[in-house]
Amino acid sequence: TQLLEQSPQFLSIQEGENLTVYCNSSSVFSSLQWYRQEPGEGPVLLVTVVTGGEVKKLKRLTFQFGDARKDSSLHITAAQPGDTGLYLCAGVREYGNKLVFGAGTILRVKS
Amino acid sequence: ETGVTQTPRHLVMGMTNKKSLKCEQHLGHNAMYWYKQSAKKPLELMFVYNFKEQTENNSVPSRFSPECPNSSHLFLHLHTLQPEDSALYLCASTPNSFRAPLEEKLFFGSGTQLSVL
Repeated sequence: TQLLEQSPQFLSIQEGENLTVYCNSSSVFSSLQWYRQEPGEGPVLLVTVVTGGEVKKLKRLTFQFGDARKDSSLHITAAQPGDTGLYLCAGVREYGNKLVFGAGTILRVKS
Repeated sequence: ETGVTQTPRHLVMGMTNKKSLKCEQHLGHNAMYWYKQSAKKPLELMFVYNFKEQTENNSVPSRFSPECPNSSHLFLHLHTLQPEDSALYLCASTPNSFRAPLEEKLFFGSGTQLSVL
């Protein structure tokens, strides 16, 4: 069992649709990060959330950290083909000092 | 020029070959990392170097041998690999590993896609 479970594993949608991907754990995290990895490239950090209930927006992307700091979600509004990629969540457990990653959600946006 | 550069981008090697992966960062960072990325699995941290000193070896088999001659360069020497070692190997850097990951984000290279036949 992975410490950070991401769902769904794969998502294929049409341009213009909305979507939400999830990152869940049974452990409490001090912080959670979201990365996007485009095909043939390394992951790039999108956002870091540190406070329970925190919501951050990055253009059409909305990130939320759960109140109990055990889960996070990423919502994309009006998806575009440029949003295609692997979305990774990563976090540091409370009282921990190591960054752990989820396995990721592969998003494909078709035009 | 990109912040973290990895070469080669692709590598195919036999189980008896010896090869090396190279990583160079142009960000002035002091900490460098090797990660292994396999399909449908979380990124696995392999090694951490801080100010050229290895600070973490995550139980990596000895067929993987890292080298960090200075804060800007990191190598991963490979020998007698197994087919299950086929993966994307990512290099990353941060200003200082002692404050990461709580306070600093990872800057990744584009990776080396390794296939072991």
